[in-house]
Amino acid sequence: DIQMTQSPSSLPASLGDRVTITCRASQDIGNYLRWFQQKPGKSPRLMIYGATNLAAGVPSRFSGSRSGSDYSLTISSLESEDMADYYCLQSKESPNTFGAGTKLELK
Amino acid sequence: EVQLVESGGGLVQPGRSLKLSCAASGFTFSDYNMAWVRQAPTKGLEWVASISYGGSNTHYGDSVKGRFTISRDNAKSTLYLQMDSLRSEDTATYYCARGGAPGNYWGQGVMVTVSS
Repeated sequence: DIQMTQSPSSLPASLGDRVTITCRASQDIGNYLRWFQQKPGKSPRLMIYGATNLAAGVPSRFSGSRSGSDYSLTISSLESEDMADYYCLQSKESPNTFGAGTKLELK
Repeated sequence: EVQLVESGGGLVQPGRSLKLSCAASGFTFSDYNMAWVRQAPTKGLEWVASISYGGSNTHYGDSVKGRFTISRDNAKSTLYLQMDSLRSEDTATYYCARGGAPGNYWGQGVMVTVSS
């Protein structure tokens, strides 16, 4: 199975900061990488698909990028509503696999 | 409006079985692969299983393979997850999602607690 190594597990940050979360794939997954945001008690929300494509309704301060087997989610200027858990998901092959998650919290 | 509504959760003893349902509406259910994803309390997301739009192809995560069975009834627009030989580590909120790889549409989740 493909392993997704996500870092950091926790990310303290201030409003207005630029923050980046990274996932590394254990095998080639091409651009079959999605990012989800999850707030407490809520279902996950798709933020990025195809590694770099913004999902509908997602603010433009979110972006996705790829460098080899490393995939990143960047928030250009952190807002209070962005405080949440973030997960990557590889959808290249079954079983799909999630990263372990990153908790984004206020410093 | 796309809606996915899970049901069937609850408290079950270890070793017993439980069947979850996910009622879909607002889209042509038979056109889409579907998936189950779970989340143990205070833990991350875990992809559980997926099924093709016609029901002929299924895939399972390693932790549930041989114990869980995903199925669907396209006439009823309903997705199922039959969970057998339940273990304490299966305690989680179970989400159904549209797409074999989850995307835009998720249910609200249903809680399953495995405990004696």
